[in-house]
Amino acid sequence: DGGITQSPKYLFRKEGQNVTLSCEQNLNHDAMYWYRQDPGQGLRLIYYSQIVNDFQKGDIAEGYSVSREKKESFPLTVTSAQKNPTAFYLCASSAPPGESTDTQYFGPGTRLTVL
Amino acid sequence: GNSVTQMEGPVTLSEEAFLTINCTYTATGYPSLFWYVQYPGEGLQLLLKATKADDKGSNKGFEATYRKETTSFHLEKGSVQVSDSAVYFCALTSGAGNMLTFGGGTRLMVKP
Repeated sequence: DGGITQSPKYLFRKEGQNVTLSCEQNLNHDAMYWYRQDPGQGLRLIYYSQIVNDFQKGDIAEGYSVSREKKESFPLTVTSAQKNPTAFYLCASSAPPGESTDTQYFGPGTRLTVL
Repeated sequence: GNSVTQMEGPVTLSEEAFLTINCTYTATGYPSLFWYVQYPGEGLQLLLKATKADDKGSNKGFEATYRKETTSFHLEKGSVQVSDSAVYFCALTSGAGNMLTFGGGTRLMVKP
């Protein structure tokens, strides 16, 4: 089955530690995205990548970093510089080659809790 | 810039009641409009979409019509079920990069 996987589903981190969230897709999508969701709120864009080896900051990139070395993978690192990292993190992808480019499909999310 | 405004929740209905969740937007150009649904503890699932004025998106009994004159994309369902309890997000893409702009979400609670 094609889809987007995120791991782990739950993640706990001590203050001052960096942590990396995984996002993998086998949909042959060019673009990938990371969003943050806080309780009772909508989604805010952290980073996005339209193509391998290229990525851009979203609205709330401070304290986060990404890489896009492979088309299938777009890992997000939450660094110790992120002051309030406890949140639900969602990865998405879009734009199969030759098809409509405006629909994003989401993974199941990773819930990060800082202890 | 682009923005999406949804009615605040929670919306509480009895099973088989009629549902409307209002969504209005501000956007440059000609946006595509979406409704996503999020069940507890899960990611977002695409519910329906419309790409141009007067298009109607539909799925699983839900419908929404792209109204350019009123800049609206209200979500409706004729008869809700308990299993429809979730958070519903209205969103749009417009301009380069197909960035999604989300509304704040509306929680729907359906009671038996």
